[in-house]
Amino acid sequence: SAVISQKPSRDICQRGTSLTIQCQVDSQVTMMFWYRQQPGQSLTLIATANQGSEATYESGFVIDKFPISRPNLTFSTLTVSNMSPEDSSIYLCSVAGGGEKLFFGSGTQLSVL
Amino acid sequence: LAKTTQPISMDSYEGQEVNITCSHNNIATNDYITWYQQFPSQGPRFIIQGYKTKVTNEVASLFIPADRKSSTLSLPRVSLSDTAVYYCLVGAINTDKLIFGTGTRLQVFP
Repeated sequence: SAVISQKPSRDICQRGTSLTIQCQVDSQVTMMFWYRQQPGQSLTLIATANQGSEATYESGFVIDKFPISRPNLTFSTLTVSNMSPEDSSIYLCSVAGGGEKLFFGSGTQLSVL
Repeated sequence: LAKTTQPISMDSYEGQEVNITCSHNNIATNDYITWYQQFPSQGPRFIIQGYKTKVTNEVASLFIPADRKSSTLSLPRVSLSDTAVYYCLVGAINTDKLIFGTGTRLQVFP
């Protein structure tokens, strides 16, 4: 298994600002994923971040809005840029563990005013 | 990419067995079937995974028929703490984007 720490756990931000979410894993992992979960909804994949390559974004998500860094095998950041109230959501970091399993952080609850 | 279909919600009472079925008609040969549990304000948590037939661990059983086009998560003797959303995922991490379906919201009553 993998233990994932996400920071911040929650934040309230003003419209037009940016927030960077950090994801730290206690072991080296190749594949990391960023998901968004809007209130009462399922998880939506934002992008896949593999160390040593550019992140791969899903339809509806672009790098200018959600830049991702993956500097090493234990760390990644997701930035939510130029925020609007529609970006209010829970953002979750996930890693691929052994045996086709995903492990998740506890998430970052973002509210944009 | 195998799409999954689950019931939106289910109700049960403490001590009962709960079976949640997931349909995945276009499952690929390399795909695994994995179930996750999510409580409010937490990330999903791995419950059980299988490829075919039956898998059992300390918290659940997973039944997969021979054609693998569906799977059933079985929770024996549920308690109030099993109230959560349960997601069925089908795919292979190295080849697929793991897309979550709607999930099943299980409510357990006293």
